[in-house]
Amino acid sequence: DTGVSQNPRHKITKRGQNVTFRCDPISEHNRLYWYRQTLGQGPEFLTYFQNEAQLEKSRLLSDRFSAERPKGSFSTLEIQRTEQGDSAMYLCASTRIQEGDEQFFGPGTRLTVL
Amino acid sequence: TQLLEQSPQFLSIQEGENLTVYCNSSSVFSSLQWYRQEPGEGPVLLVTVVTGGEVKKLKRLTFQFGDARKDSSLHITAAQPGDTGLYLCAGETPTGGKLIFGQGTTLQVKP
Repeated sequence: DTGVSQNPRHKITKRGQNVTFRCDPISEHNRLYWYRQTLGQGPEFLTYFQNEAQLEKSRLLSDRFSAERPKGSFSTLEIQRTEQGDSAMYLCASTRIQEGDEQFFGPGTRLTVL
Repeated sequence: TQLLEQSPQFLSIQEGENLTVYCNSSSVFSSLQWYRQEPGEGPVLLVTVVTGGEVKKLKRLTFQFGDARKDSSLHITAAQPGDTGLYLCAGETPTGGKLIFGQGTTLQVKP
């Protein structure tokens, strides 16, 4: 396994457009997390899944954001009606269920909203 | 709200100097992790500390977890240009395992 992968790596879009990002976790990992990171800051938690169930969503995740993990494998994060404030790096991480297990991060998707 | 305060935010030093980065919180975490992140990439785990008072060493890097499991420090001895990067501390929450990150410390080591 080559680790967590994310696609696309870069996305430039115009304000008001919808965008969708994909995350493929490490195959045996049943927890998947989404984080958002703006320039010069640490990542902020958005949401996480345990298998296909979405168990927690941050207040940062407005109604324009939706995440899915339909078969408990890959996950998608969709942003509708993008705003310039959505410009950030979107990171995905996966781990096994046990507390203290390392979260392995993907390379991220850099979103720029013009 | 759980917060992690990381300091300093920026550090520019000469090769061979020592440095310490601090990570403080009013909350107790299940574990505390230190990551290093290169530009355009995701964070990569350096170490996880779990037990209060724990000290871990990774070559020239020494990590400490406070007795009350609310604070941690990263000490680098004889810094090298290859240590340049963004260092992040992150606390693992007891429920769900999500990570709460500090603001990060951007380290520049000049030759």
